[in-house]
Order: sequence, then C-alpha cells, then structure tokens
Amino acid sequence: KQEVTQIPAALSVPEGENLVLNCSFTDSAIYNLQWFRQDPGKGLTSLLLIQSSQREQTSGRLNASLDKSSGRSTLYIAASQPGDSATYLCAVNTNAGKSTFGDGTTLTVKP
Amino acid sequence: KAGVTQTPRYLIKTRGQQVTLSCSPISGHRSVSWYQQTPGQGLQFLFEYFSETQRNKGNFPGRFSGRQFSNSRSEMNVSTLELGDSALYLCASSLSQGYGQETQYFGPGTRLLVL
Repeated sequence: KQEVTQIPAALSVPEGENLVLNCSFTDSAIYNLQWFRQDPGKGLTSLLLIQSSQREQTSGRLNASLDKSSGRSTLYIAASQPGDSATYLCAVNTNAGKSTFGDGTTLTVKP
Repeated sequence: KAGVTQTPRYLIKTRGQQVTLSCSPISGHRSVSWYQQTPGQGLQFLFEYFSETQRNKGNFPGRFSGRQFSNSRSEMNVSTLELGDSALYLCASSLSQGYGQETQYFGPGTRLLVL
C-alpha cells in the first residue's frame, strides 16, 4: 500500500526567501507525481506533473524534482511571495486514476 | 475551456438521509475521480470512472457509490448519511488516454455538512 508523507506540516517564512517542501513515498513503482496547491476551502490547483521517467520539472518560480529510487520529491519555491501562502499537496499515481495524497504542507509567507 | 464543475457547492443534510453530488469534467476528459477531504483524514480516494465503468475503488463502505454517464458527467451518492461523512468532496478529471501520464484537474468541491 502506497503511503505519502510530507514534511514539514507547516512552514512560515519571510517574503523573498527560497524554500523547499518535501514529499516521500513508500512504493517506487509510480507512474507520475503531481504537486498541487490548495487555498482554504477551495479545490486543488495543479502546479507541476513529473512523469516517472523525468527527474525534474520547472514552471516559473517553481521547480519540482523526483528521485524514484529513494522515494522522494521536492518542490522548490524561489523568491517566495505572500500570494504563495497555501497548502501544498503532493500526489502519487500508481495506477491510472488512483492517487495517493500526502497530508500537505501549509505555507505562510509573511510580508 | 471550461473547468471542472461541481454541484451543489454546499449542502446540509441530516443523519440517515441520502445525497447525490454531481461533477461535470472538462470537455474531452473521460476519466473522473472522486475524493473525500476531511481535517482528520486528509484527501482520500473514493473511486474513479472511465467510459461509464468504475476502474478503481478506494476503501470506503458500500454506502458510497457512483456512476458515470455517456457524456462523462459523473454522480456520487452517499446513502444513510453519518456525521462523519461531513467533508469536502472533490472530483477531478483527466484525459486518461493511458495509464498515468496525465494531469488531474480538480473542481471547487461540494462541502457537505451532516447534522
């Protein structure tokens, strides 16, 4: 059974700081890994999708890496802004349509 | 392209009642997945439908059921509601042209409160 862990559970940083969020998973036989952000009371917004054959993906100030062999992924946010404040979730797909989510990291960026 | 839509957005029910939630995927998407999100359990996978067939199922009791129509719209039903069913129910759609390899797009969710 796939288990996904995200550390830390919460993070507070001053504006402008670079930061790293971590995601680890127990079953390395994955098809892809996806990072989402969720604003309070809202649905999820996809940030980055890394295929199982890829090592990293970049979108603007975001960079996600994937190391299947060690069961780890990181989400790097450069030059953080108050608008980045949200909960960040990683999800691992091991079969089409079935995702296992971590509990998320709640990020607060202080002006 | 319109995003994933869910109706209703908010719902209040009492214990023992049943409820039906609806999800319209992005045009052209054939896979619809349903999730339950609660503060205590996080985001948990309920089931996934593809071409009107349930393809994957999570670990939820039989009171939770779903279906998908020929236009890919999906409904989920919860019978005999319990207080613990209070949650945000999210649906996600994807193209699902093959195993994995595609992004899931989420709707805004239906917030269900069971009194």
